[in-house]
Amino acid sequence: EPEVTQTPSHQVTQMGQEVILRCVPISNHLYFYWYRQILGQKVEFLVSFYNNEISEKSEIFDDQFSVERPDGSNFTLKIRSTKLEDSAMYFCASRPGTGDTDTQYFGPGTRLTVL
Amino acid sequence: GQSLEQPSEVTAVEGAIVQINCTYQTSGFYGLSWYQQHDGGAPTFLSYNALDGLEETGRFSSFLSRSDSYGYLLLQELQMKDSASYFCAVRPRMDSSYKLIFGSGTRLLVRP
Repeated sequence: EPEVTQTPSHQVTQMGQEVILRCVPISNHLYFYWYRQILGQKVEFLVSFYNNEISEKSEIFDDQFSVERPDGSNFTLKIRSTKLEDSAMYFCASRPGTGDTDTQYFGPGTRLTVL
Repeated sequence: GQSLEQPSEVTAVEGAIVQINCTYQTSGFYGLSWYQQHDGGAPTFLSYNALDGLEETGRFSSFLSRSDSYGYLLLQELQMKDSASYFCAVRPRMDSSYKLIFGSGTRLLVRP
């Protein structure tokens, strides 16, 4: 069964450093997302991407964040200058076109630790 | 905006039935979804209600009442592996991105 993959599984970085989190969504899906989950809290929407552009972003997704789909398979989230409060689990998700349900398929996540 | 509230923790015995509630304040949404998340794992889709009423998928059922701004997930014949966090989620109406807004989450602990 196709699945969303993410690398790395765990990233440790120093405050102020840039990080790139990578995702390979399910190949025939059209909508791509990044979500964040701070330890013990709920899953929060960051950004959605469709037709090679951002379709929506949350208040969390400020100028330090950017997303790219550079080659038609990878989907990346870049944080330019990490802060301590960026420490969280980052989930990539994808979904097919306009289906009958709201089902999204989540990757296993990248745990980002900012020291 | 969207606000979905769930009890923070529920404990039940193996083999029992447990209901996890989700009450919401929202300006409109397409349907109510439920996701399961084991510790350290990814959210995985469980159930979806587009319309009011009960949807059954094996041991799991989900219910929605839009008039009461309320839904629940019902887990029957509980197994130890059902110990996980459960999140309700909605896709806001008037939203072309199909993003999900998640509830606060309920941690279910199944005891022997």
